[in-house]
Amino acid sequence: DGGITQSPKYLFRKEGQNVTLSCEQNLNHDAMYWYRQDPGQGLRLIYYSQIVNDFQKGDIAEGYSVSREKKESFPLTVTSAQKNPTAFYLCASSTNSWELFFGEGSRLTVL
Amino acid sequence: QKEVEQNSGPLSVPEGAIASLNCTYSDRGSQSFFWYRQYSGKSPELIMSIYSNGDKEDGRFTAQLNKASQYVSLLIRDSQPSDSATYLCAVNSGGYQKVTFGTGTKLQVIP
Repeated sequence: DGGITQSPKYLFRKEGQNVTLSCEQNLNHDAMYWYRQDPGQGLRLIYYSQIVNDFQKGDIAEGYSVSREKKESFPLTVTSAQKNPTAFYLCASSTNSWELFFGEGSRLTVL
Repeated sequence: QKEVEQNSGPLSVPEGAIASLNCTYSDRGSQSFFWYRQYSGKSPELIMSIYSNGDKEDGRFTAQLNKASQYVSLLIRDSQPSDSATYLCAVNSGGYQKVTFGTGTKLQVIP
């Protein structure tokens, strides 16, 4: 089945640790995105990539990093520089018509 | 001014009624418009896309776009309790290769 797979679904991080969230898609989409959602809030764009080996900062990129070495994969690293990382992280890919399809999300909690 | 604005709700409608959800956007260059449904604790799923002025119908859902007024709406006919969710409006601006979301409107359908 085609879709987007995010892992892990739940992740706990200690202060000062970097963590990496995985996102893999088999929809053959060129564009991929990472969004963050806080309770009761909308989605805020962290990073996006329109093509392999190229990505752009979104609205809240500070404290995050990404790579796009393969079309299918767009991992997100939450670094220790991100001061308030507890949130629901959503990865998506899009068609050429900008329709986004989301993974199930990764819920990160800082202990 | 926020790029995409929605009333947070909750919007309560009785079962069988028409639910009307509204969204305004600030960038006149916006070209693509979307409605996503998000159940509590889940990721968003695309329910409607609209790209030109007028109405677009899909089953019980109708999306309406008025670019002159910078206004997008979603009508849900014969509302069901299973429609209770948060509805997110999303917009792609032609000059920017990203999709921006509103904060969402929570809909409650009362049996």
